[in-house]
Formats: sequence, structure tokens, C-alpha cells
Amino acid sequence: AAGVIQSPRHLIKEKRETATLKCYPIPRHDTVYWYQQGPGQDPQFLISFYEKMQSDKGSIPDRFSAQQFSDYHSELNMSSLELGDSALYFCASSPLGRPYEQYFGPGTRLTVT
Amino acid sequence: GEDVEQSLFLSVREGDSSVINCTYTDSSSTYLYWYKQEPGAGLQLLTYIFSNMDMKQDQRLTVLLNKKDKHLSLRIADTQTGDSAIYFCASTPNSGYALNFGKGTSLLVTP
Repeated sequence: AAGVIQSPRHLIKEKRETATLKCYPIPRHDTVYWYQQGPGQDPQFLISFYEKMQSDKGSIPDRFSAQQFSDYHSELNMSSLELGDSALYFCASSPLGRPYEQYFGPGTRLTVT
Repeated sequence: GEDVEQSLFLSVREGDSSVINCTYTDSSSTYLYWYKQEPGAGLQLLTYIFSNMDMKQDQRLTVLLNKKDKHLSLRIADTQTGDSAIYFCASTPNSGYALNFGKGTSLLVTP
């Protein structure tokens, strides 16, 4: 079965640089969620999109922005990276009509040096 | 997160049943979930239960919900070494579907 695709899987950036993470939801899924998981931590909700509109906002720093495109893929843009941004970033998607079912991608591991 | 609490570690022998417990504070939580995370991997949705149910069974997995005590449990029957992983309890608020996770319970299954 098709799964959520995230790219890149690993990313190394220096402080103050920018990064763009991409998420391709499962086909026929219309909602995308972004989560951040620090080392040894539980995932924290960042932001979500439904039908290309922001639907909910969590603890996303002002340095980060995200959007969902017409093909439903989503991108998380991160600027002025800090050491504390080093984490696993997960994207999850939900099927049409079942927003309470979230299927996670494999994650992007971002390391800021 | 702070609103969902789990014990951090559980060790069981292969073939035994495992019971992982979770308590939550938001009485208006609509859905409650169990996710499994293996080392370096993503989160796998194991099962979820709607707040108006008190039990759900899916093959080796049984979820019990005590809404009065705000307590959720996951029972894994005939636990196998492949079940070793971190299990996260999560809830959704009354509005929206952003998941609020517990800290995770690390399950170790020994032969």
C-alpha cells in the first residue's frame, strides 16, 4: 500500500541557514499534518492543512512556514535555523472524510550544526 | 505532552500479554490512539477508539477506555520480540485533530 513520502530523509544544515522539507500524502488524502520530534521526546504538532488551507496551528515558530499545494503535497520552510531545530520532522496525512486517522511518513531527520 | 501520561518502560517475556497504560486530562478528547514507533522509524497507527466506546479489539490488540477515570490501555496478546518498540498514547481535542502525544512507553520483549 502507498505510504506518505517525505524528502529528503536526512538533511544537515548550518546555523542561520534555511531548509525546505517536502511531504507527499497518500493518494486521496486531503489533509496534511506536520510534527516535530526532538531526541527522546514525543512528537509535537506544528501545523496542518486541509484542502490547501491552514486548518490548525500548534507550536510552530515564526521562523517556519508551510503550505499545501494543489496536488496536496506540502512543504515546510524553515529559516534562520537554530541548533534546537535539530529533530525528526514527521508529516502525516488523513483520508478524505476521515481526518481523525493520521498516517505518518518515515520522517526527515534535520541536523543543524 | 503534559496532558497525556504513560509509564516509561515495560518488560515482558515472549508469549505473555503486555498491558500499556495511559491517562489523559482533557475530558473532551474525542479520539484516543495508540501508535508504535520502532527505532529510527516513523509512527505506525496501531488502533484508535472513539470516546463513546469503551472497548475495541483488533486481532492481538485490545483497547480499553475508561472515560470516567480518563484511562486508556492497550493489551497486546501473545507478545512477540517484534513488538519491542515505543508505544505512544495520543488524544485529539474536542475541536480539530492535532494529536497530543504522551512521552511513550518503551516495551522490551525478552525471549
